[in-house]
Amino acid sequence: SQTIHQWPATLVQPVGSPLSLECTVEGTSNPNLYWYRQAAGRGLQLLFYSVGIGQISSEVPQNLSASRPQDRQFILSSKKLLLSDSGFYLCAWSVGFYEQYFGPGTRLTVT
Amino acid sequence: AQRVTQPEKLLSVFKGAPVELKCNYSYSGSPELFWYVQYSRQRLQLLLRHISRESIKGFTADLNKGETSFHLKKPFAQEEDSAMYYCALTSSGTYKYIFGTGTRLKVLA
Repeated sequence: SQTIHQWPATLVQPVGSPLSLECTVEGTSNPNLYWYRQAAGRGLQLLFYSVGIGQISSEVPQNLSASRPQDRQFILSSKKLLLSDSGFYLCAWSVGFYEQYFGPGTRLTVT
Repeated sequence: AQRVTQPEKLLSVFKGAPVELKCNYSYSGSPELFWYVQYSRQRLQLLLRHISRESIKGFTADLNKGETSFHLKKPFAQEEDSAMYYCALTSSGTYKYIFGTGTRLKVLA
């Protein structure tokens, strides 16, 4: 069966520090991969999506970037965190145009 | 603009009462509509999709293309239905999913 992992579960980082959140999927090949930020009252904001290795589409201009070095690995990064980057980050995968499967999320607090 | 609107941030109903969570969309193509649910301390997960025309946990949703709506309904709410509900859409012409801002449903005893 397919599973999706995210780590770390929680992270506290100072302003100006780098960020790396990792997401991996097991049990499927060539998934579409997504990064969302979930905020109360604002729903799920799509940040990046990828349909293949090295293919990244950015939805929101911001302080973050994404990479897909392997078929089932998706990384969210930042060179210098801002206070406004605090939030709950979700990774998800899908195959085709059907349902998405979500990871457990990472709670990021920038201090 | 492509958009999913959930007008209610919070909906409180009593146990046994009917529930309707509203979802309206704006999309130029032929969308696929979904409802996702997030129970306390659990992952966001699919509740139902319009192409399946199914009933899950007593919930149903009908796609009304004329009114561009996909409201979620249940005739008798249960306490375990308390959760955050998100309406979402995608299309065969894109890999993107657009989510609404969510409605928190509280079912009171």
